[in-house]
Amino acid sequence: DIQMTQSPSTLSAFAGDRVTITCRASQSISTWLAWYQQKPGKAPNLLISKASNLEIGVPSRFSGSGSGTEFTLTISSLQPDDSATYYCQQYKTSSSDFGQGTKLEIK
Amino acid sequence: HVQLQELGPRLVKPSQTLSLTCSVSGDSMTSGSYLWNWIRQPAGKGLEWIGRVFTSGQNDYNPSLESRVTISLDTSKNQFSLKMTSMTAADTAVYYCARSPPRDSRVYYGYFQYWGQGSLVTVST
Repeated sequence: DIQMTQSPSTLSAFAGDRVTITCRASQSISTWLAWYQQKPGKAPNLLISKASNLEIGVPSRFSGSGSGTEFTLTISSLQPDDSATYYCQQYKTSSSDFGQGTKLEIK
Repeated sequence: HVQLQELGPRLVKPSQTLSLTCSVSGDSMTSGSYLWNWIRQPAGKGLEWIGRVFTSGQNDYNPSLESRVTISLDTSKNQFSLKMTSMTAADTAVYYCARSPPRDSRVYYGYFQYWGQGSLVTVST
């Protein structure tokens, strides 16, 4: 297994703030990383694939970067609708692994 | 676009086998080469990938669950299934089915583009 570690576990910020979530892999995964947003009672929604490819329909305030073992998800200007839990996922190997999640609260 | 829906019992007794089906609509499962996945999430906890089946029928499983899990395809019914044996209370979770994007040249992408809405399965007497 590849261990995926997200930080922070919880995050509180104001609307309009820029926030960054970090995901670290226990070994290199090149850019085989995806980010998801999950709201309570709903299935996760794919935001970004291949570390930085924004999915169609995802607002441009979301961006991803990184390669190897360190990755970031950035929201450039927080909106109230961004309140959710965010997960990273590695898909380099034949067994996929998620980070433990980052819960983002809008103050 | 493609839609997925998890079908199956919501309550399973300890030691029994869970059988869930993911019904796929809006696209034929054989319209391309895809990965068909099962993922679960205990209440208040994170996501755990269970395993997948390729359109070809090949499987990959989470090593921690592999001895208890079988995932299979039924393309004639446009659905795929999960069987998990020896269920315990620790297996109580929302179970999601999900599809990965189509294979590009010879490369499969193991992330999850489309998800079902999830099905809560409780293991209890």
